[in-house]
Amino acid sequence: EIVLTQSPATLSVSPGERATLSCRASQSVSSNLAWYQQKPGQAPRLLIYGASTRATGIPARFSGSGSGTEFTLTISSLQSEDFAVYYCQRYNDWTWTFGQGTKVETK
Amino acid sequence: EVQLVQSGAEVRKPGESLKISCKGSGYSFTSYWIAWVRQMPGKGLEWMGIIYPADSDTRYSPSFQGQVTISADKSITTTYLQWSSLKASDTAMYFCARHGSGLDVWGQGTTVTVSS
Repeated sequence: EIVLTQSPATLSVSPGERATLSCRASQSVSSNLAWYQQKPGQAPRLLIYGASTRATGIPARFSGSGSGTEFTLTISSLQSEDFAVYYCQRYNDWTWTFGQGTKVETK
Repeated sequence: EVQLVQSGAEVRKPGESLKISCKGSGYSFTSYWIAWVRQMPGKGLEWMGIIYPADSDTRYSPSFQGQVTISADKSITTTYLQWSSLKASDTAMYFCARHGSGLDVWGQGTTVTVSS
């Protein structure tokens, strides 16, 4: 089974700064990777699919890149509403998995 | 409006059975896979399995195969997640989500508490 490893586990960032989150796959998943944001008490929200395509309504400060085994989610200028947990997820075969998450917290 | 509405919170005892639901509306229900995702208290997201309501083709995560059953009734645009014998370790929030490009529409979640 392909494992997704996210780093760092926790990222401390000041509002207005750039945040870079990493997701590494143990085998290639091509571009079949999505990113989600989850706030406490809420369902996750799709941010990015196909590794780099923003979902409907997602602000341009969120961007995704990568393919194969290395992926990055970048938040160009953190807003207060962006402090949350972020998950990557692969969907390249029929055993889809999530990474363990990165918590973005206020520095 | 495209939405998935899940059934309400449940409290059960170990060994009891349970079936929770997820009703889709506002879109062609039989054209999209529906996934189920577990989130244990304070933990991350775990993909459990997925079903295609048009023909009930179902795939399970190896971690959940044999532990739960995913089903669908396309006539009422509803998918289900069921347990035949609950354990305390099944205590969690369970989400259903539509797979469009990624999991693009999520239900609000159903809390399942298993306690003696």
